[in-house]
Amino acid sequence: DAKTTQPPSMDCAEGRAANLPCNHSTISGNEYVYWYRQIHSQGPQYIIHGLKNNETNEMASLIITEDRKSSTLILPHATLRDTAVYYCIVSRNAGNNRKLIWGLGTSLAVNP
Amino acid sequence: DAGVTQSPTHLIKTRGQQVTLRCSPKSGHDTVSWYQQALGQGPQFIFQYYEEEERQRGNFPDRFSGHQFPNYSSELNVNALLLGDSALYLCASSMGLAGPDTQYFGPGTRLTVL
Repeated sequence: DAKTTQPPSMDCAEGRAANLPCNHSTISGNEYVYWYRQIHSQGPQYIIHGLKNNETNEMASLIITEDRKSSTLILPHATLRDTAVYYCIVSRNAGNNRKLIWGLGTSLAVNP
Repeated sequence: DAGVTQSPTHLIKTRGQQVTLRCSPKSGHDTVSWYQQALGQGPQFIFQYYEEEERQRGNFPDRFSGHQFPNYSSELNVNALLLGDSALYLCASSMGLAGPDTQYFGPGTRLTVL
């Protein structure tokens, strides 16, 4: 399974866009990129996932580079409630060996 | 609200005891995964159940065992508890073994071993 690299921490002003980067240079063709977040001691919350194309939902946008070696999660208008640890994960899309391997994530602080 | 429920929310045990944690998946989901999360760390994969069988397992000793019932709910059992087993135990549910593995998590069970 491909590993991911994320900055340990980031700051963002409330109301501004938060852009969280992730490197996954060893990603395979059958691996998806997932983003989850975890607000202090709660269960992780699914945000978005993608394979090749950019994706958008009500929570965020996911931009994947053409070579798929990196991606960026964009929270368009960050609020204080977006303060959390954000995890970028790659996982195979089929077969018995699918599992989510978690790193330490990026601790995002949204400041007033 | 993802719809995954776990019980109990908190638990205190002593070394050597046994514990059983329970999880009900989101409606329509048939696959349950369990994770252990120590303080300040990301979740660590324990195992995954599908069709009442353990389909894959992380690097955890045999003291950690599980079960999945016909209604897709699941239990995690830990025997001979150690102080190092103190952690947040997370259950996640998803659908099947093909396609995107989008997992939805419960609130977790906080286990403290004294």
